[in-house]
Amino acid sequence: GENVEQHPSTLSVQEGDSAVIKCTYSDSASNYFPWYKQELGKRPQLIIDIRSNVGEKKDQRIAVTLNKTAKHFSLHITETQPEDSAVYFCAAPGADTGFQKLVFGTGTRLLVSP
Amino acid sequence: DVKVTQSSRYLVKRTGEKVFLECVQDMDHENMFWYRQDPGLGLRLIYFSYDVKMKEKGDIPEGYSVSREKKERFSLILESASTNQTSMYLCASTSFGPQHFGDGTRLSIL
Repeated sequence: GENVEQHPSTLSVQEGDSAVIKCTYSDSASNYFPWYKQELGKRPQLIIDIRSNVGEKKDQRIAVTLNKTAKHFSLHITETQPEDSAVYFCAAPGADTGFQKLVFGTGTRLLVSP
Repeated sequence: DVKVTQSSRYLVKRTGEKVFLECVQDMDHENMFWYRQDPGLGLRLIYFSYDVKMKEKGDIPEGYSVSREKKERFSLILESASTNQTSMYLCASTSFGPQHFGDGTRLSIL
């Protein structure tokens, strides 16, 4: 089955800096890679996702890159703000379940200091 | 906007009790999921369902069962609660693509 590893587990940056979170996956047939943000006491919410036929996707200050050869994908946040502080989870599906079943990384706690 | 509603935000139960966690979604999604969230372990899948009365085990099904009698409702059952089941439980649903989560139930087993 799919195995997803996420690094780092914690990340502290100064406001305005960039933050990068990296995930690796094991199933080369995986084709969909979402990123979720979970603020303290709240539900995980999708912030960006990418499909395997695309190498990069951007949405304002957030971008995701995918390297299928190396089987890793990364979340990039530019010009970080205190409200970006949260736990971020990556995920990938197994090929046998399409998009329905996801395996999540263990999460990255991002702290943005003013 | 998709709404996934979990019946309780906080729940305290005693060891050995049978515990029911309820989840309802309003978007006619075929697929529903139950996760357990523990610090440092991320979200781990307990069970999921892809249709009414259909279910599949996830990664950590031991000590749990599920029920899906109606499309919009997916219940997680702790047959005989134990202290190591103290955790945050999250329900999610999807038709195709991203999963939508409920607010979670923080369950404490004493």
